[in-house]
Amino acid sequence: AQSVTQLDSHVSVSEGTPVLLRCNYSSSYSPSLFWYVQHPNKGLQLLLKYTSAATLVKGINGFEAEFKKSETSFHLTKPSAHMSDAAEYFCVVSDTGRRALTFGSGTRLQVQP
Amino acid sequence: DARVTQTPRHKVTEMGQEVTMRCQPILGHNTVFWYRQTMMQGLELLAYFRNRAPLDDSGMPKDRFSAEMPDATLATLKIQPSEPRDSAVYFCASGLVTTGLPRNTEAFFGQGTRLTVV
Repeated sequence: AQSVTQLDSHVSVSEGTPVLLRCNYSSSYSPSLFWYVQHPNKGLQLLLKYTSAATLVKGINGFEAEFKKSETSFHLTKPSAHMSDAAEYFCVVSDTGRRALTFGSGTRLQVQP
Repeated sequence: DARVTQTPRHKVTEMGQEVTMRCQPILGHNTVFWYRQTMMQGLELLAYFRNRAPLDDSGMPKDRFSAEMPDATLATLKIQPSEPRDSAVYFCASGLVTTGLPRNTEAFFGQGTRLTVV
């Protein structure tokens, strides 16, 4: 069985400061891992994906994530938060067997001016 | 600009009525997912199809929900009869799953159908 745990339901940062959204995963197979973002009343947009190539993955809008197998983690980071980054972020796992996406519970990011 | 299209965007219906939600996946994608999003449960996988065949619908209440892909350009999710607890946003997503490398399993999501059952 596969699952993801997003360790924080809410994160609040000031504009211009770093962002860290934490995610731990569990998978029986070699996983593919993703981060999706959802702005209010919008669909889900793919930020970045890890599929067993480089462990440091760069995504859109300055976000990146590092796959750490020893820690079963896939934390999302950004050096400097922007007001437009305020949204809900989902860590997602897909194993090579089932190929369906399992979503974490989400982290709501607030960016204070 | 390829995108997943869902209709309707909003639906308000009375309890007991039939509801049909439609999804047009991205052309060339071989996998279609249906997810339901609620405040309490978050994003739940209801069903998914590969090459139009249902692979897993274990997340779907079988007595009232049904999902089909009449052809490669249309997926439907039907609720009959609808109940207030079905109120949620229903997302369709499509993707191209390959058996070789690189593995491409990301899904592209539609804007969702916001269903309210009163």
